[in-house]
Amino acid sequence: DAMVIQNPRYQVTQFGKPVTLSCSQTLNHNVMYWYQQKSSQAPKLLFHYYDKDFNNEADTPDNFQSRRPNTSFCFLDIRSPGLGDAAMYLCATSTRRLSPGYTFGSGTRLTVV
Amino acid sequence: DAKTTQPNSMESNEEEPVHLPCNHSTISGTDYIHWYRQLPSQGPEYVIHGLTSNVNNRMASLAIAEDRKSSTLILHRATLRDAAVYYCSPVRNNDMRFGAGTRLTVKP
Repeated sequence: DAMVIQNPRYQVTQFGKPVTLSCSQTLNHNVMYWYQQKSSQAPKLLFHYYDKDFNNEADTPDNFQSRRPNTSFCFLDIRSPGLGDAAMYLCATSTRRLSPGYTFGSGTRLTVV
Repeated sequence: DAKTTQPNSMESNEEEPVHLPCNHSTISGTDYIHWYRQLPSQGPEYVIHGLTSNVNNRMASLAIAEDRKSSTLILHRATLRDAAVYYCSPVRNNDMRFGAGTRLTVKP
């Protein structure tokens, strides 16, 4: 089935050690998003790609970067993870017309030790 | 950005209808209203969206107020599998930001 796949499902990284989370999609959607969701909170938009155009949220820390080498893949890089970056990271896709809505992956749960 | 207000939590009995309200009084004329739900340890799942007219699909119905400042998600017969956090969000220019959501509990 066409879907959004996030790898790995669980990631443990050391404090300050760079980590990359990946997302792939088989939907051929133009837009890809990264959200951060901390425990018992709603997902928070970090940034999104509209085709190759990168759109950063104003309050997304510089520690968070993203790459989209092609339509199918998008990466979230955390340059120096802190304990406060421990969260579920969700990737989502949509078309320009937003129909039938956003499709989310199952998320990567990041633990920082 | 349009802000949303939803009840923190709601309860329903199994096989009864559930009406989940959302206030989005600062919505602009071109914003679509989206609803998603999130089960524990899963990513959010699309439920329904609309612009002005009421909408129905296999999962739910969406009733949109005439002034578009509020909407209601209707689950016609709640099941235990509908227990989740439900989020509404006005969406403009492919930007969706989640509010706090409503945690729905379904009692057998």
